[in-house]
Amino acid sequence: EDKVVQSPLSLVVHEGDTVTLNCSYEVTNFRSLLWYKQEKKAPTFLFMLTSSGIEKKSGRLSSILDKKELFSILNITATQTGDSAIYLCAVSMNTGFQKLVFGTGTRLLVSP
Amino acid sequence: NAGVTQTPKFQVLKTGQSMTLQCAQDMNHNSMYWYRQDPGMGLRLIYYSASEGTTDKGEVPNGYNVSRLNKREFSLRLESAAPSQTSVYFCASREGHGEQYFGPGTRLTVT
Repeated sequence: EDKVVQSPLSLVVHEGDTVTLNCSYEVTNFRSLLWYKQEKKAPTFLFMLTSSGIEKKSGRLSSILDKKELFSILNITATQTGDSAIYLCAVSMNTGFQKLVFGTGTRLLVSP
Repeated sequence: NAGVTQTPKFQVLKTGQSMTLQCAQDMNHNSMYWYRQDPGMGLRLIYYSASEGTTDKGEVPNGYNVSRLNKREFSLRLESAAPSQTSVYFCASREGHGEQYFGPGTRLTVT
């Protein structure tokens, strides 16, 4: 069974801290891994990773994929209260249709 | 562009009532999806449509039906609502293996 596991489930940090969120996966026929941020409404796209070892970066957020060890991390540096959200990891596979398998998410709370 | 739109935003039903959740996308995507999101469970796929005219079951299809009316629209129907269907429902669309775009969600409560 295809599985995506995120850790920790929840996290509370102080503004300015650096956080690392983890995503591990066991799927058949891996194609890519995606990170989403979900505040009060719909998930919004952050990154898509397809190759091992190549960091994707957007401002204070960065992510990297390890296809050998089957995991990805999402780093957020100098956290701000606006980073408080649920962060979702999803894996896309080379199946006949474009299905994503989602993890349960990490709930991040950044306190002032 | 509106992206993915969903109606209604909120709905309260009594057990046994029926309703249809509407979804439309204006990005000309072939694939469309319906998910439900429950606390601690993440996003679970209910049904998907890989292209106009085709639909298939996802992980949790029981109690639901779908219609892919045309390329733009994909509706989700609850024929006889149950309290276990209380959830937040998201529609999404995607082209190929790119990112999925999500609608704003429908918060459904079944009493």
